Amino acid sequence: SQQGEEDPQALSIQEGENATMNCSYKTSINNLQWYRQNSGRGLVHLILIRSNEREKHSGRLRVTLDTSKKSSSLLITASRAADTASYFCATHRWGKLIFGQGTELSVKP
Amino acid sequence: SQTIHQWPATLVQPVGSPLSLECTVEGTSNPNLYWYRQAAGRGLQLLFYSVGIGQISSEVPQNLSASRPQDRQFILSSKKLLLSDSGFYLCAWDVGDPPQETQYFGPGTRLLVL
Repeated sequence: SQQGEEDPQALSIQEGENATMNCSYKTSINNLQWYRQNSGRGLVHLILIRSNEREKHSGRLRVTLDTSKKSSSLLITASRAADTASYFCATHRWGKLIFGQGTELSVKP
Repeated sequence: SQTIHQWPATLVQPVGSPLSLECTVEGTSNPNLYWYRQAAGRGLQLLFYSVGIGQISSEVPQNLSASRPQDRQFILSSKKLLLSDSGFYLCAWDVGDPPQETQYFGPGTRLLVL
């Protein structure tokens, strides 16, 4: 079953703008991860945040986690056309990853 | 470095025909292996996972089966394909017991059943 739900389902922005994607989940987790998928390709791991962390940065990516609200957000700053892809959150629980439905991001040059 | 291969990349099969998709991992030993299916515009659904040779766990009842004949080989099969088996099939791996937290994905196989 799908635990994560991303919001919005689709997002279209101009190059240079920031993109924010949200993820909600239902049960307790060990960690939450964000993956990226270019059209027709496999998934690539972006960043992992543990249940005892609140915020994490990696380059232009910033992830927050609010375990009391069971939600996470992914912020991509200064977006580029090459950031165009689908972004998925995945919760890690008992050795398994459970993916959300994804946010389709389009960055227009 | 570790790499993961899937083939074929694309497959068009008639309803009722058999299926065999292959996934191999290089550069690591005793990986945990996973098969996911992704319907168009949707997230990934875990189908099978394996922690060792001959050890297969099924997540959802379906028309598919999986086998792991070698340490770094994972095969997804069907005796008779259904239209609903169409989708994008992704293989992934990680290591450890319990599994490490990040999975690494192959390039995927796009299956169209007509």
